[in-house]
Amino acid sequence: QKEVEQDPGPLSVPEGAIVSLNCTYSNSAFQYFMWYRQYSRKGPELLMYTYSSGNKEDGRFTAQVDKSSKYISLFIRDSQPSDSATYLCAMSAERTYKYIFGTGTRLKVLA
Amino acid sequence: GAGVSQSPRYKVAKRGQDVALRCDPISGHVSLFWYQQALGQGPEFLTYFQNEAQLDKSGLPSDRFFAERPEGSVSTLKIQRTQQEDSAVYLCASSFGTDNSPLHFGNGTRLTVT
Repeated sequence: QKEVEQDPGPLSVPEGAIVSLNCTYSNSAFQYFMWYRQYSRKGPELLMYTYSSGNKEDGRFTAQVDKSSKYISLFIRDSQPSDSATYLCAMSAERTYKYIFGTGTRLKVLA
Repeated sequence: GAGVSQSPRYKVAKRGQDVALRCDPISGHVSLFWYQQALGQGPEFLTYFQNEAQLDKSGLPSDRFFAERPEGSVSTLKIQRTQQEDSAVYLCASSFGTDNSPLHFGNGTRLTVT
């Protein structure tokens, strides 16, 4: 079993829908959580960076961390075709440089 | 402010050739990482530098892989005697601090070994 699990998709939604992307993890030491967006043939781009549990909002994006369930989510409101990309979660324990990435979820937003 | 720059963007090598991949991190970033990303997978850690010191090379797949960052800025990932299984995207990332700093990635070098 991998340390970080992420459904590879693809996930297809109509334009304007609310998208929910999720990762589960097994290491209770993880404290730092990131979401990246990766367009085809590009590098991952940092979207959200959160510490410990709770919610963080930035524009149309909300990151949610539930440490008791070892479950993190990224919500995208009013999804746009330009949101079509692969979304990667990444996480790390305290006082470490090492991040563990999920496999990524492919999202397609249909116009 | 420039981001992380990688070159070349694409590299085709015949099996057995040596290749060198370059990474120019964000100016002032202490930490530099190399990751390997296979098709449909997330990035897998290869190696980590703090300034010029290579603190962790535990992810390098074999002794054919070698990385350096001699002046604490630009880094080179070298692969000797390339094999087909080395075909992947090689991503470089940098971060301002050391522990738990968010990573900023370049666009990668796509290596194809024929």
